[in-house]
Amino acid sequence: EAGVTQFPSHSVIEKGQTVTLRCDPISGHDNLYWYRRVMGKEIKFLLHFVKESKQDESGMPNNRFLAERTGGTYSTLKVQPAELEDSGVYFCASSWWTGSTGELFFGEGSRLTVL
Amino acid sequence: AQSVSQHNHHVILSEAASLELGCNYSYGGTVNLFWYVQYPGQHLQLLLKYFSGDPLVKGIKGFEAEFIKSKFSFNLRKPSVQWSDTAEYFCAAHGSSNTGKLIFGQGTTLQVKP
Repeated sequence: EAGVTQFPSHSVIEKGQTVTLRCDPISGHDNLYWYRRVMGKEIKFLLHFVKESKQDESGMPNNRFLAERTGGTYSTLKVQPAELEDSGVYFCASSWWTGSTGELFFGEGSRLTVL
Repeated sequence: AQSVSQHNHHVILSEAASLELGCNYSYGGTVNLFWYVQYPGQHLQLLLKYFSGDPLVKGIKGFEAEFIKSKFSFNLRKPSVQWSDTAEYFCAAHGSSNTGKLIFGQGTTLQVKP
């Protein structure tokens, strides 16, 4: 069974440019999450999709970040325009069902460097 | 505010030494607790989890953790570490009404010397 896959694994862009990160969850997982780890800090929740609907986007830093999950399959996270403080590792995770015992399966992360 | 705190940011041990990584949480209500591990170049994976019942939880690769409610702690232990345990370890929590919105600690990097 394929795990959660993320693309690209590493992206280097200049301040003001746009970057789109993609996440393919495990097939059949309705729940998809985005997390971010800024260097030296803890991993922080960004948002949660249930199928194609945003269940919770309370962790999104600002309106430069746009997440979508059209069709309830893969998800994209767009940063436009990117700022220096957006640098970090963006993790995607998925799980079977919306329940407190559900284990999250994480991807390897997309490292974003903004110069 | 909900938070998870890991006491050690970087731990260096020799093989066969015993390991204990500290984790404390601040959470109102029922809390579910997790330890995740990230080996170099790999994805985060679940080591073990506690929801209810026996406070001593056993996970994969010989790891265990003990939930001590009175101390708000969920420390990770392993009696004898191996070089392959070199990784970053994350303690995390979420409330029973929260699904998937994990609160993570800062992470502890463990380096095991052969």
